[in-house]
Amino acid sequence: AQTVTQSQPEMSVQEAETVTLSCTYDTSESNYYLFWYKQPPSRQMILVIRQEAYKQQNATENRFSVNFQKAAKSFSLKISDSQLGDTAMYFCAFMKQRGAGNMLTFGGGTRLMVKP
Amino acid sequence: GAGVSQSPSNKVTEKGKDVELRCDPISGHTALYWYRQSLGQGLEFLIYFQGNSAPDKSGLPSDRFSAERTGGSVSTLTIQRTQQEDSAVYLCASSLAGWAEAFFGQGTRLTVV
Repeated sequence: AQTVTQSQPEMSVQEAETVTLSCTYDTSESNYYLFWYKQPPSRQMILVIRQEAYKQQNATENRFSVNFQKAAKSFSLKISDSQLGDTAMYFCAFMKQRGAGNMLTFGGGTRLMVKP
Repeated sequence: GAGVSQSPSNKVTEKGKDVELRCDPISGHTALYWYRQSLGQGLEFLIYFQGNSAPDKSGLPSDRFSAERTGGSVSTLTIQRTQQEDSAVYLCASSLAGWAEAFFGQGTRLTVV
């Protein structure tokens, strides 16, 4: 079974600054996907960024980037130039690649507050 | 539709009553998932449907929980004899295939009083 751990229940950052959210996971799989989802107060989960484990290059989406360390089973999210709209819960998630329709395994979440 | 639609948005029910939660996935998506999110917690997997295959029910917490997906589209999650610990947000997600990006609905907030 897979486990995903987010060790920071809450974080805050000043607007325009950079913040890094941590995520570690445990799996015996060699091929898998990792995700960061954002959940604003509207409750809808929104995909922020996705990383395939077989890719060595870290994924980047505009102000969002990841630091994927496969050997260490670490998958952190960096948010640059933080904006007030980034205030939300952030969830790290794992999905096996093998087989069809594997469910996402989520971490407990990090509540991020961006301060003006 | 444009996105995953869930109804109702909020539901308050008395302990012991049965409830049905509905999910309309994105048209053409073959995979559908139900998750539960208790207050301040992460998401807990409940059940997964993929096309015409038998559903993966490994996450259902008890036999009071069941789900069906009719015609490979709409899904209904049923909770029988609700308990206070069932209070949570129930999120539905769908994806084009089992390995593809999952799109989530806005969830149903269930409150058992």
